This record gives sequence, C-alpha cells and structure tokens, in this order.
Amino acid sequence: SQQGEEDPQALSIQEGENATMNCSYKTSINNLQWYRQNSGRGLVHLILIRSNEREKHSGRLRVTLDTSKKSSSLLITASRAADTASYFCATDSNNDMRFGAGTRLTVKP
Amino acid sequence: EAGVAQSPRYKIIEKRQSVAFWCNPISGHATLYWYQQILGQGPKLLIQFQNNGVVDDSQLPKDRFSAERLKGVDSTLKIQPAKLEDSAVYLCASSLLLNEQFFGPGTRLTVL
Repeated sequence: SQQGEEDPQALSIQEGENATMNCSYKTSINNLQWYRQNSGRGLVHLILIRSNEREKHSGRLRVTLDTSKKSSSLLITASRAADTASYFCATDSNNDMRFGAGTRLTVKP
Repeated sequence: EAGVAQSPRYKIIEKRQSVAFWCNPISGHATLYWYQQILGQGPKLLIQFQNNGVVDDSQLPKDRFSAERLKGVDSTLKIQPAKLEDSAVYLCASSLLLNEQFFGPGTRLTVL
C-alpha cells in the first residue's frame, strides 16, 4: 500500500511561475524524500528532509515538513520547461519506504 | 561513478510464461530494492535486501515472484508464471545508507 498522497495529481503552469506540490502521509516517519521521474526513465532523488527538520533548500527547490499535520510540500521556483516530469514523495518509516502516486507537472514554454 | 544497471530494458511475454530481470547496483551499496511501477502510479516496494539478506518482502506476491541477491551484489527478480496484471515497469534501486536511493532505468514488462 502507498503511504504518501500527493496533491494535486496534475499541475500545469507557465515557464517562470512557481510550482507547489503537497504530500500527506499517515504514520510517523524518520524522513521524507522527494523524487523526480521523467517519462520512461528511472527516479532521481531531489531532496531528503528528516523528521526533526522543518524546511530545506536545494537550488530552486524548497521543501517543508509539518509532522504535526503529517504533510510536506515541494516548491519549485522560477520553473523551466525542463522541470516537466512527475514528482513523488516517499516516506521512510523504520526503513520501510513508501511512495505516493505522484504529481504530474507540465511547464509550458 | 557508474549508476544502477538493469537488463533487459524491455520484455514482452505471454501470460503464464516466466521472466527474469537483472540488477547491478552501485558498487559498495549494501541496500538493494525492487519496485513495481504500474502506469500512472507510484513505485511499489516489492523487496528490500541488506547485503544478501531480505529486510522487507511483505508486498512481494510470493506465489509467483521470487528474488535473490547472491553474494550481496547483483540481484535477480523472477516472475513465474506471469499474469496480465504484472505488466509494469520494474525498477531496481540501491543505497549506501538507508536514505537516498539511486534508481536504474527500469525494465518495462508487457504481458500479453
């Protein structure tokens, strides 16, 4: 069964706009990770945030974690057409990894 | 460093046939994962190895799926016999610590 639930399922924006994706989960976690998957390819790790962290940045990516609400968000700023992909959150609960169904992001040039 | 290698990249078989997938993780990575990703869904963990021992295989359909990781390096995943609903991409991933996972390109299986 999948633990993370991403929202929205699909998101379409213009190049230069910001994209925000959300992830909710059900059980306590050790960490939460975000991955990206281009069509027909494997997943690529973007960022990991531990349960005792609230915010993390990596380049144009900003991830927040609210353990009281069991939710996380991924913000991509100044989006580019090359950011078009599916984005998945993955929760790690005692080394038990669970992925959500993903958000399909389309960035129009 | 070389990434996670998987073969074959594509496989088409008929139902009730057998199929095997191979994965070579990144050198030195103790943890290896097999995932099944059905079109439009997120990856579903089938089995996790730590060296050559199984850590989690709770979601592996053991009546038809089997996996092994001999010598704690390469791994094979087998389906015997295959069903139509096994059509999916099978992803292998490895990690050094139990954190960031590095994924291979996957094997796309079509069962007719």
